[in-house]
Amino acid sequence: SAVISQKPSRDICQRGTSLTIQCQVDSQVTMMFWYRQQPGQSLTLIATANQGSEATYESGFVIDKFPISRPNLTFSTLTVSNMSPEDSSIYLCSVEGDRAYGYTFGSGTRLTVV
Amino acid sequence: GENVGLHLPTLSVQEGDNSIINCAYSNSASDYFIWYKQESGKGPQFIIDIRSNMDKRQGQRVTVLLNKTVKHLSLQIAATQPGDSAVYFCAETPGYSTLTFGKGTMLLVSP
Repeated sequence: SAVISQKPSRDICQRGTSLTIQCQVDSQVTMMFWYRQQPGQSLTLIATANQGSEATYESGFVIDKFPISRPNLTFSTLTVSNMSPEDSSIYLCSVEGDRAYGYTFGSGTRLTVV
Repeated sequence: GENVGLHLPTLSVQEGDNSIINCAYSNSASDYFIWYKQESGKGPQFIIDIRSNMDKRQGQRVTVLLNKTVKHLSLQIAATQPGDSAVYFCAETPGYSTLTFGKGTMLLVSP
């Protein structure tokens, strides 16, 4: 299955600032996904990022708040903009796997907004 | 690391017992289901999957059962070990597209 490197692994940020999270995959993949996991909660899909097209956002998430880039088949970024303490979460990158291993996840970025 | 399962239902078992974790899914069109294990400070790790044309699939020490009639999924872990302590999530998808995750269950294994 694909190996995902996600950076940074954690960060503490001031409210009103923005943070860009990077996701690097060791193989080419068509679909990349960004999730949010709020403290003690399950994972919620933010958006699907396909190379060469605009990201598709889920209900409750907007591009102005969570802009996504997908410049090639192995890399994507998620920016959390104008952060507030409510944005404190784990943000996870995921890619479609081959059918033997489902979908693969990165180790996540643990964001605390103060 | 932080406790990802702070507000989740908890299943406590003794080492060596068999564990059963249940999940109700919502989308009757879902045809692919996955169980993930998430340890503190880590991303979800694939355990086992099952497609809708099956009702049971076995892996190493794990078995997944699928009941499409009542939209229910279960994960059975045989001879549970302390290393199995984690949060377990089921996930579903129709047509191998976007995943929807269940609420999760924290499994605590006592030595």
